[in-house]
Amino acid sequence: EADIYQTPRYLVIGTGKKITLECSQTMGHDKMYWYQQDPGMELHLIHYSYGVNSTEKGDLSSESTVSRIRTEHFPLTLESARPSHTSQYLCASSVASGLYEQYFGPGTRLTVT
Amino acid sequence: QKEVEQDPGPLSVPEGAIVSLNCTYSNSAFQYFMWYRQYSRKGPELLMYTYSSGNKEDGRFTAQVDKSSKYISLFIRDSQPSDSATYLCAMETSGTYKYIFGTGTRLKVLA
Repeated sequence: EADIYQTPRYLVIGTGKKITLECSQTMGHDKMYWYQQDPGMELHLIHYSYGVNSTEKGDLSSESTVSRIRTEHFPLTLESARPSHTSQYLCASSVASGLYEQYFGPGTRLTVT
Repeated sequence: QKEVEQDPGPLSVPEGAIVSLNCTYSNSAFQYFMWYRQYSRKGPELLMYTYSSGNKEDGRFTAQVDKSSKYISLFIRDSQPSDSATYLCAMETSGTYKYIFGTGTRLKVLA
C-alpha cells in the first residue's frame, strides 16, 4: 500500500470558510498532484508540483492554491469555500523520472453547504 | 470530444467470467497507458502499465494496446467478487507527467 496520506477524509463546511486539505507522502517522491473527482466523471488535474518551491496549475480551472515548502507535504487551500467546490479531492505522488506510476491517497470528500 | 472515452457501465458479470474493459482515445501522442482500480471510498491504485503498443500480462489481468486503432483493453480472467470496483484507464504523453483519465467503468462480479 502506498504511503500517501490525506486529512481530513471527510469535511462538511459552510460557504465562505477557508479550508486546507492536507496531503503527505513518505516515499520521497518529487512529483505531487491534486485531482478533483466527481461521480461518473474523469479525474481532473487541478495542481501539480515537480519539487520543492515548484507549483503549476493543471487543466481544470480552480480557485484553490497549493504550496510545496517540503518534499513530503503538498497542502491545497480554498480561501472561500462555495457549494460548487463540493467534490472528492485526490492527492497523488510519483518519482521524478522513469516509470510514471502515480500513487494515490485515499481522498478527501468535501461538502460545502 | 473528450480525449479519452470509457463506458461508465455498470457492468455486472457472474463469478468466473472473463471481463473486457475498454477505452478509446483521440490523441495519437499518448505513449503510456495505464489501468487503475478504485474501490469505493478509496484512491485509485495502479493495476497495469504499458508503454506503446502490445500486450502485458500479470496474473489474471492482461492489458492490450492497439495504437493504430487508438484502443486499449483490460481483460480480467476468472473474475472474483473482490474484483468489484471502478476501473479507470489513464494515458500520458511522454515527458508531460500529466495523465488524462477516463471516467471509469463500474464492475460488479456476482458471487
